Amino acid sequence: QKEVEQNSGPLSVPEGAIASLNCTYSDRGSQSFFWYRQYSGKSPELIMSIYSNGDKEDGRFTAQLNKASQYVSLLIRDSQPSDSATYLCAVNIRGGYQKVTFGTGTKLQVIP
Amino acid sequence: SQTIHQWPATLVQPVGSPLSLECTVEGTSNPNLYWYRQAAGRGLQLLFYSVGIGQISSEVPQNLSASRPQDRQFILSSKKLLLSDSGFYLCAWGTGRTPNEQYFGPGTRLTVT
Repeated sequence: QKEVEQNSGPLSVPEGAIASLNCTYSDRGSQSFFWYRQYSGKSPELIMSIYSNGDKEDGRFTAQLNKASQYVSLLIRDSQPSDSATYLCAVNIRGGYQKVTFGTGTKLQVIP
Repeated sequence: SQTIHQWPATLVQPVGSPLSLECTVEGTSNPNLYWYRQAAGRGLQLLFYSVGIGQISSEVPQNLSASRPQDRQFILSSKKLLLSDSGFYLCAWGTGRTPNEQYFGPGTRLTVT
């Protein structure tokens, strides 16, 4: 089992729809969870952080965390073509906060 | 606000040549610094991280090395490049305090020929 798993996609959604991106992790002791957006050829950009069970909203983005199920998700409402990118999930694995482990990312395509 | 710089942006080097990539951070003090590599179509692999001057932790044994000569400077080096060293090299900084969000520089795209 990979430490952080994501479906590689591509996930295709029509413009204006809700995109749902999922991530599972292996370490029950993980405390910090991050979502990054990476446009093709560019570096990752931090878009959301979540540390407690439940939902955290920021504009069109909602991060959801369920520690019991070891699952974190990112919802993008009213998806726009500019949201087309690869979304990376990152989790602090094996305790500590100095390092995080990244998933391989899910490629999102928003169809106009 | 904090800014992270990396150079060069792109680099083409022959096999067996040396490498030096530099990363500097502005607007923060005593950051954690990280070097990642992203091979084509693959995830981010942590290569080195540093919690302070002269303190380097290596995550993957290989022909690369890192140094932190100043608080906000992080250098990635190699004495002899391999074809497998090709990739997108990313420097990141973190606050050094939990939860330690990490922020990436623009990256260096290295092609070893």
